[in-house]
Amino acid sequence: ILNVEQSPQSLHVQEGDSTNFTCSFPSSNFYALHWYRWETAKSPEALFVMTLNGDEKKKGRISATLNTKEGYSYLYIKGSQPEDSATYLCAPGRYSTLTFGKGTMLLVSP
Amino acid sequence: GAVVSQHPSRVICKSGTSVKIECRSLDFQATTMFWYRQFPKKSLMLMATSNEGSKATYEQGVEKDKFLINHASLTLSTLTVTSAHPEDSSFYICSAISLTGDYGYTFGSGTRLTVV
Repeated sequence: ILNVEQSPQSLHVQEGDSTNFTCSFPSSNFYALHWYRWETAKSPEALFVMTLNGDEKKKGRISATLNTKEGYSYLYIKGSQPEDSATYLCAPGRYSTLTFGKGTMLLVSP
Repeated sequence: GAVVSQHPSRVICKSGTSVKIECRSLDFQATTMFWYRQFPKKSLMLMATSNEGSKATYEQGVEKDKFLINHASLTLSTLTVTSAHPEDSSFYICSAISLTGDYGYTFGSGTRLTVV
């Protein structure tokens, strides 16, 4: 079982603040790293799937980077908005199996 | 985009009864579906992987006779919690991979099971 660590566990920021979270995972046997946004009472929504060391992906105000050699990924949100409030999950995967971290719960206050 | 419908969203049942949770892929064919369980303040834990038309593969420590999984078609997988007990109370959620193989997983919205 992979040990996946996400930090911080929770985060409370003001609207307009930029923020970032960390996902740490074992670098050996890496295949892909998934990021999800999970709003309460909804389905987790896929944000990014990254496979290459040094990969950087962007979706609107959200971007992510990947370092497979040292085993971490950062998720950045620029100019946070209240609608960004959600739990952000990362999941390294090998073949079809994903191992999820506990997530970072983000609350953005107006 | 791909959608997975999961029902029910909440269910309360009495100890000893069985509960069935359904996951349907609405606009794509799901060759593989995954069932997860989440305890409070814990991560999503994979329970089992089901492939259409074959027996599910259960993770270590998950009782296959307690958690029956059926994946009879490319659009439907069910999880039945048999003879439920209060310790089975948890959040259960499914996800599916489409045939397109884009390595994206589409999740249902989850089921909160409470056994009283």
